[in-house]
Amino acid sequence: GQQVQQSPASLVLQEGENAELQCNFSTSLNSMQWFYQRPGGSLVSLFYNPSGTKHSGRLTSTTVIKERRSSLHISSSQTTDSGTYLCALERGNNRIFFGDGTQLVVKP
Amino acid sequence: GPKVLQIPSHQIIDMGQMVTLNCDPVSNHLYFYWYKQILGQQMEFLVNFYNGKVMEKSKLFKDQFSVERPDGSYFTLKIQPTALEDSAVYFCASSGGHQNTLYFGAGTRLSVL
Repeated sequence: GQQVQQSPASLVLQEGENAELQCNFSTSLNSMQWFYQRPGGSLVSLFYNPSGTKHSGRLTSTTVIKERRSSLHISSSQTTDSGTYLCALERGNNRIFFGDGTQLVVKP
Repeated sequence: GPKVLQIPSHQIIDMGQMVTLNCDPVSNHLYFYWYKQILGQQMEFLVNFYNGKVMEKSKLFKDQFSVERPDGSYFTLKIQPTALEDSAVYFCASSGGHQNTLYFGAGTRLSVL
């Protein structure tokens, strides 16, 4: 079954609005990583966050292991934030599972 | 930041031919991965590789697939023979070790005709 579930599947925002993306996992984990996939396909690592909260500019990631969830918060969204956001779960055998992603569209 | 290079960026071949996808991982990284992504679909794990050996492979990693990293050079994914359903973008990734950040290449778009 699906080990990593992301929500929402898609999200449309007006520029300046905030976004909250969720990742829930059904198994134990060693690490959680968030990626941004550009419309052209390449992936950019946003956060490596096995637990706790991390900040990077307008982005904040919070992972709560006990609740088996991780979130990505985007504040003051911009049109250049449009793309797909993926969370990835690493388990003990170095195998990394991806969620289906959240497709974000930010309109001007 | 660290870069993973993939060569070529696009490859078009006829069904039944062999293809080799090349990946130049981040220097000093020890763990290597291949992922397959069909357009608009999920990123799917194929295989991971460490210390010259395959550690784990998924059901998508068919018998026609093989990986190697000869003499510490490119980490390669070979498909022989190719099939129509192999058309996808193949992403290579590397990491410095267990519980380390994963770095991805830009992908190789493979089209099997």
